[in-house]
Amino acid sequence: DAGITQSPRYKITETGRQVTLMCHQTWSHSYMFWYRQDLGHGLRLIYYSAAADITDKGEVPDGYVVSRSKTENFPLTLESATRSQTSVYFCASSEPTSGIPYNEQFFGPGTRLTVL
Amino acid sequence: GQQVMQIPQYQHVQEGEDFTTYCNSSTTLSNIQWYKQRPGGHPVFLIQLVKSGEVKKQKRLTFQFGEAKKNSSLHITATQTTDVGTYFCAESGGSYIPTFGRGTSLIVHP
Repeated sequence: DAGITQSPRYKITETGRQVTLMCHQTWSHSYMFWYRQDLGHGLRLIYYSAAADITDKGEVPDGYVVSRSKTENFPLTLESATRSQTSVYFCASSEPTSGIPYNEQFFGPGTRLTVL
Repeated sequence: GQQVMQIPQYQHVQEGEDFTTYCNSSTTLSNIQWYKQRPGGHPVFLIQLVKSGEVKKQKRLTFQFGEAKKNSSLHITATQTTDVGTYFCAESGGSYIPTFGRGTSLIVHP
């Protein structure tokens, strides 16, 4: 039972290159999220998705693109990587329960991205 | 989500001492969640509080939600080296999209 996985775990790229980070979950959770974590900023939401083919911006979406053609996958693309996008990226998923604001998030192991 | 302020940013304690981190908001929160992230790891859900004045315990951890639902705290009794990590609070304002506080990093000295 893999749960939620991310690939690659580590990535070094150069400024201007396109990079795609993969996220896959096996629970069929409706919601999926992408966060970036930088020292002093905690977790900041980049994009989220409430279901397949439904995505929306979070707090820091500029420079990122997402898609969700299948429930289990939620890739994050940096169209033209910049040094400021050097960060640790976490994917997460959750499944709401009707009646209460239950939204425990399950996080993947993270991708450490360095942009040179 | 709304903004939640978390204090302190860092806390050093000697093993065996108690530890408390606070999460504060200027507006009423619908619920509060707590997560723990070990060094080099990913955030792991600890608990969710929904009701005014709610108190929940998990072994040496005590979670409280304020009566006015504007603040929450996580208290660890008699810290151990296994408690090392960053503790985050998160609130969702009634939606399914949480906003995280910046976290409190706990350093336990043996």
